[in-house]
Amino acid sequence: ETGVTQTPRHLVMGMTNKKSLKCEQHLGHNAMYWYKQSAKKPLELMFVYNFKEQTENNSVPSRFSPECPNSSHLFLHLHTLQPEDSALYLCASSQEDGTGLVGNTIYFGEGSWLTVV
Amino acid sequence: GQNIDQPTEMTATEGAIVQINCTYQTSGFNGLFWYQQHAGEAPTFLSYNVLDGLEEKGRFSSFLSRSKGYSYLLLKELQMKDSASYLCAVDWGYGQNFVFGPGTRLSVLP
Repeated sequence: ETGVTQTPRHLVMGMTNKKSLKCEQHLGHNAMYWYKQSAKKPLELMFVYNFKEQTENNSVPSRFSPECPNSSHLFLHLHTLQPEDSALYLCASSQEDGTGLVGNTIYFGEGSWLTVV
Repeated sequence: GQNIDQPTEMTATEGAIVQINCTYQTSGFNGLFWYQQHAGEAPTFLSYNVLDGLEEKGRFSSFLSRSKGYSYLLLKELQMKDSASYLCAVDWGYGQNFVFGPGTRLSVLP
């Protein structure tokens, strides 16, 4: 138990579906992240929210839409995905001060396995 | 760019010692992290280095040379359960946050 909870753990969706991934952190952190991990590829940073504001969007296609309603919750809305979007999506959180990371680590959730058919 | 390089795969024998190297671009460096990831699971934190030198934590040690943009993770007395991917990650500071290397898949053989 890392204090970061992701749901659902597994999701199969068609290319025309709309679904959402949910992440909740119970650590009192102020920064949350979405990462994508495809087979045999490095973890790719998708989005970062610091103090509920999006500070990073690494050229992610618009079919992925993040939402951060408060510092404890993060969503990834999925719409008209492609089969190549099938991957493990990891949420993480950390504590940031004005200059960077506090506490020497970020904490990951268990991940959501997404399969697009 | 923020290139981080690691060997793709390594193999070692149970009970042995293995060193996994990581090189990175030095500008804006704010700290280096090592994570362990078993197949199908989330990464788990192993170590953190921000100053030069060796940090020891049980069977695992991590070394950093900031001027060379170089780190290694040293695993001693290898066990079968150490078979996993080992991810080097660099914190380049506020707004740029974490970037992970490609990971090194370690296989420990009996």
